Amino acid sequence: AQSVTQLGSHVSVSEGALVLLRCNYSSSVPPYLFWYVQYPNQGLQLLLKYTSAATLVKGINGFEAEFKKSETSFHLTKPSAHMSDAAEYFCAVSEGSGGSNYKLTFGKGTLLTVNP
Amino acid sequence: NAGVTQTPKFRVLKTGQSMTLLCAQDMNHEYMYWYRQDPGMGLRLIHYSVGEGTTAKGEVPDGYNVSRLKKQNFLLGLESAAPSQTSVYFCASSYSGGRARYEQYFGPGTRLTVT
Repeated sequence: AQSVTQLGSHVSVSEGALVLLRCNYSSSVPPYLFWYVQYPNQGLQLLLKYTSAATLVKGINGFEAEFKKSETSFHLTKPSAHMSDAAEYFCAVSEGSGGSNYKLTFGKGTLLTVNP
Repeated sequence: NAGVTQTPKFRVLKTGQSMTLLCAQDMNHEYMYWYRQDPGMGLRLIHYSVGEGTTAKGEVPDGYNVSRLKKQNFLLGLESAAPSQTSVYFCASSYSGGRARYEQYFGPGTRLTVT
């Protein structure tokens, strides 16, 4: 069974500072990994995904994430935070093409606050 | 395209009442999902469907039933609501082929309060 751990339920950064949101996963087969963003009172929107191609994945709004198999990590970064980045971010894992389980398992989320 | 829509957006129920949440998608997706979101718990899968007429249990199915009579609709029912079912409910859908089936599209959510 797969699982996701997001370190830090709340991260606060200043506008213009680096954003780093941590995600570690466990999976018995090569995983597919995702980051979703949820703005207040809205549904989830896909930010980026890793599906066994390039290990450095670029997403929308300047975010990127790197798949590191040796560390079982998929951390989300953005060089310079903007006020509009304030939202909750969810990491999710699926078993990928090697497994029959296409369902997603979500982490508990990290709330990002951006201070002016 | 409207994408994934959910009805209603808000609802307050008394303990023991029943209700149905409707999810509709216009993207011709085969797969559909119902999740609940609770503070500090992330999203948990309630039930899912891989096609019209088929449904399966997810991680937290107790107290809920679902139906997928039409490909574009996925209904979530609460037969006898309990305060523990107070939550925000999200519907999602995805394609069935290749890597696209892993990319889920979410609706805006239904906020349910059971008193």
